Amino acid sequence: EDKVVQSPLSLVVHEGDTVTLNCSYEVTNFRSLLWYKQEKKAPTFLFMLTSSGIEKKSGRLSSILDKKELFSILNITATQTGDSAVYLCAVPRGGNTPLVFGKGTRLSVIA
Amino acid sequence: NAGVMQNPRHLVRRRGQEARLRCSPMKGHSHVYWYRQLPEEGLKFMVYLQKENIIDESGMPKERFSAEFPKEGPSILRIQQVVRGDSAAYFCASSPAPYNEQFFGPGTRLTVL
Repeated sequence: EDKVVQSPLSLVVHEGDTVTLNCSYEVTNFRSLLWYKQEKKAPTFLFMLTSSGIEKKSGRLSSILDKKELFSILNITATQTGDSAVYLCAVPRGGNTPLVFGKGTRLSVIA
Repeated sequence: NAGVMQNPRHLVRRRGQEARLRCSPMKGHSHVYWYRQLPEEGLKFMVYLQKENIIDESGMPKERFSAEFPKEGPSILRIQQVVRGDSAAYFCASSPAPYNEQFFGPGTRLTVL
């Protein structure tokens, strides 16, 4: 059965800290891995990763995929209170399009 | 350039009533996915539709739940004879093609009294 495991489940940091969120996966016919940010509403798309070792970057957020070790990390540098959210990792199930989500990492950034 | 639209945003039903949740995908997107998020749990896939076709409904409960995506109009997730355990946030996502990133709507929060 396809599975996505995220760690840690929750994290509290101070503004300005750098955080690393982890996502490991088991899926047949891997195609891609996606990261989303969920505040009190819709998950917002962050990144889609398909190739190992190529970092994707957007402002203070970056992510990289390791297809050999079956994991991805999401880095956030110089965290701000607005980064407080649940960060979700997902992979398409069995290589098809429905997504299997991890339980998320709840990040709280305090001033 | 409107995103994925869902309505209503909040829906309250009594046990035994029907709930209808609507989703209009982003312009140019013909693939729609429904997910359910129970309190303190992750998002779980329910059903994947393309215009007029159900592609994958393996995540849908066998009874009381149905979905459609007609040629014209929004996709509809229908829950008949709701029970308290149906209380959850229901999210719709859309994509322009299979295997592309999925963009989510704001969700419908269903409360069953």
